Amino acid sequence: DVKVTQSSRYLVKRTGEKVFLECVQDMDHENMFWYRQDPGLGLRLIYFSYDVKMKEKGDIPEGYSVSREKKERFSLILESASTNQTSMYLCASRASGSGTDTQYFGPGTRLTVL
Amino acid sequence: GQSLEQPSEVTAVEGAIVQINCTYQTSGFYGLSWYQQHDGGAPTFLSYNGLDGLEETGRFSSFLSRSDSYGYLLLQELQMKDSASYFCAAKINSGYALNFGKGTSLLVTP
Repeated sequence: DVKVTQSSRYLVKRTGEKVFLECVQDMDHENMFWYRQDPGLGLRLIYFSYDVKMKEKGDIPEGYSVSREKKERFSLILESASTNQTSMYLCASRASGSGTDTQYFGPGTRLTVL
Repeated sequence: GQSLEQPSEVTAVEGAIVQINCTYQTSGFYGLSWYQQHDGGAPTFLSYNGLDGLEETGRFSSFLSRSDSYGYLLLQELQMKDSASYFCAAKINSGYALNFGKGTSLLVTP
């Protein structure tokens, strides 16, 4: 089975802190994604990476950056956390050329910024 | 812009059939996926329609009509464990990312 793990299930940070959210997948997938999920807004794409060191902005990249130095690991960085970044963050991975376009999600990190 | 519309909430009785609709307005539409998410859990893939018509996977079926910009997820023989949120998601062009709807919360009652 594909396994996507995220470094923390719950995280509490203070405004202005630099925050790192880590995601690791074990299926050698080329594509990885970061979403945030807020009530009533569904899943919104922050950034994605289609290969190592390659990244593309999603729909809401402001205030975030990403890093993909190794194929299995995709990091989301909040340079200076703000209260409006309090949310559930979901990481996903996908095999390139997947016919069904299946994305496999991690369990999520619920981030609270005080 | 890109948008997908689905009902926010649906309630159905155990054993019944329920249909969750999804209409989309997206340029470069390529295909429609459905994901299930239980409270506190990760979204999990249910089905994908790359072509018009019906795809069946056990109790779940999904349908797509490109001419109507419309799809639906059909859940048969509802069980209590089907209570969850269901998201439709559009694949744009042949790209990597999915554009998700806001989700439909399904409550199955005894």
